[in-house]
Amino acid sequence: DTAVSQTPKYLVTQMGNDKSIKCEQNLGHDTMYWYKQDSKKFLKIMFSYNNKELIINETVPNRFSPKSPDKAHLNLHINSLELGDSAVYFCASSPLSKRQSHYGYTFGSGTRLTVV
Amino acid sequence: QKEVEQNSGPLSVPEGAIASLNCTYSDRGSQSFFWYRQYSGKSPELIMFIYSNGDKEDGRFTAQLNKASQYVSLLIRDSQPSDSATYLCAVPGTALIFGKGTTLSVSS
Repeated sequence: DTAVSQTPKYLVTQMGNDKSIKCEQNLGHDTMYWYKQDSKKFLKIMFSYNNKELIINETVPNRFSPKSPDKAHLNLHINSLELGDSAVYFCASSPLSKRQSHYGYTFGSGTRLTVV
Repeated sequence: QKEVEQNSGPLSVPEGAIASLNCTYSDRGSQSFFWYRQYSGKSPELIMFIYSNGDKEDGRFTAQLNKASQYVSLLIRDSQPSDSATYLCAVPGTALIFGKGTTLSVSS
């Protein structure tokens, strides 16, 4: 009965490859997110998405694209992987679609991506 | 762009002591503040949130807000080795904006 689940937990791949990370939430939340946590533990928002609006952090390269088949799923697709993409990627969800959320987020367990 | 600043630490305290973690925020209009705890290799988990109208206590944890100086504190009383983790402060923007976290180490 995991609330926010991500797969795979670990992903090792070569530069230039294309990969996807999947995320599913069973909390009935309206909004989902992708965060990147680098080696210094800095947790940085990449995307926030509900069924009406996609908000993209302007610093995210366009090689990264979120894909949402339905409200409970938000996958992250990465093209032409680079060494600097190595990080832990966290999916999260929250119950509100308003920008000023007053509720904390529930995080998935993370996907550790290593690009070699 | 909203920003959240935290001292990365490590902050080391002996078991039973009070640990004080601070976070400064750039947007004076921020109305709510979140504290997350992240154990090594794990995902962040919400431990406390407060609104701009007052402090909050929950068990051994107290969150305090100083609006004039734009900082929010997390106090952990009777610190335990199990409190050793990275503590992340966050404020709402288009999504939650996190600080870089403070690593707390509680020695027994």
